Amino acid sequence: DTEVTQTPKHLVMGMTNKKSLKCEQHMGHRAMYWYKQKAKKPPELMFVYSYEKLSINESVPSRFSPECPNSSLLNLHLHALQPEDSALYLCASSQGTGKNTEAFFGQGTRLTVV
Amino acid sequence: LAKTTQPISMDSYEGQEVNITCSHNNIATNDYITWYQQFPSQGPRFIIQGYKTKVTNEVASLFIPADRKSSTLSLPRVSLSDTAVYYCLVDPLNTGFQKLVFGTGTRLLVSP
Repeated sequence: DTEVTQTPKHLVMGMTNKKSLKCEQHMGHRAMYWYKQKAKKPPELMFVYSYEKLSINESVPSRFSPECPNSSLLNLHLHALQPEDSALYLCASSQGTGKNTEAFFGQGTRLTVV
Repeated sequence: LAKTTQPISMDSYEGQEVNITCSHNNIATNDYITWYQQFPSQGPRFIIQGYKTKVTNEVASLFIPADRKSSTLSLPRVSLSDTAVYYCLVDPLNTGFQKLVFGTGTRLLVSP
């Protein structure tokens, strides 16, 4: 199984809502990533969980908070989002270190904030 | 983290060979070079990875000169379905954690 599964595929939420995005992998990977991607732009790294250690892109606002319940799951909790947060949110996983490391990406969650 | 520079866009025709070059002047000794392909509204997909000289797989070749300050992704005989954005990434894999930071990428358009 070389899949990274993201749910939901689409999400529409109001600015006062709280929602969560879910990402799951069963490849035994020790690193998982969250990205935000706007149209015609490259994926922008938000968070990395690597060997139970969280690395944060300092520019990510606190209305986004990651949670790693176990090594197969990575959630992204959303609250009080703004319309400019509407984007494709991508999750990825990899071995994190070692030779010939291929990262696997999910299909993304298309988020619309209204 | 080594910065990468790629052409913003490239055009080609079906059946041609396409070479996309990535510049990474500050590449470190432990860094590997990896290329990903992304179609609209999908997650990126791994194409190829290398450290030096040449690597070939069933879909592409990767050429890395001795100084490793650049690399070239070669796509033989492209088809319309190769229209996508191609990203070059540089990461320390053997001794450091993979950071998977994307640069601007190259938008390839293949025409009939």
